Amino acid sequence: SAVISQKPSRDICQRGTSLTIQCQVDSQVTMMFWYRQQPGQSLTLIATANQGSEATYESGFVIDKFPISRPNLTFSTLTVSNMSPEDSSIYLCSVAKPGEAFFGQGTRLTVV
Amino acid sequence: AQSVTQLDSHVSVSEGTPVLLRCNYSSSYSPSLFWYVQHPNKGLQLLLKYTSAATLVKGINGFEAEFKKSETSFHLTKPSAHMSDAAEYFCVVRISYQLIWGAGTKLIIKP
Repeated sequence: SAVISQKPSRDICQRGTSLTIQCQVDSQVTMMFWYRQQPGQSLTLIATANQGSEATYESGFVIDKFPISRPNLTFSTLTVSNMSPEDSSIYLCSVAKPGEAFFGQGTRLTVV
Repeated sequence: AQSVTQLDSHVSVSEGTPVLLRCNYSSSYSPSLFWYVQHPNKGLQLLLKYTSAATLVKGINGFEAEFKKSETSFHLTKPSAHMSDAAEYFCVVRISYQLIWGAGTKLIIKP
């Protein structure tokens, strides 16, 4: 199994500012995943973060807007840059182990 | 291409009656299939998973799902709904380490 600590759990931010979300895993994992869940929607994959290489972004997401760091096998950050109200969502990190995926509790972001 | 279709965006049942949440998938590979539940303002919780063992999978809180390859379905059922089952339910297909999410089904329980 895996336990993921994600913080902050929620934040209210001014438009134009940036927020960095952190995820700490209790075991080493090769890949970490960052998702966005807009209000009333399913999860959308933003990017896959591998340690020691650039993150791989899904269509519609770019590194300038969502820079990701992966300094080691247990930690990753996602930054939401130059925020606008449209970025108000829940952001989740996830890891996949054989047979199951595990999720952080999510960061509920509100941009005002 | 892989995809997941949850056939109902909302399902409303009375407390004590059966629950059926429908999920169909499309996959070129032998998939692993999951159902996750998300209660309001809570994190995602794994209900159950199918990973090529028994086709009838039992999960937590009395839920179960049956993998039917011929119908490419993985419907979630529960014999008797409880008020605490009110939540959003997601059907997920896993291909290697990639997860493909259904749009979600909101389960409403009427007293």
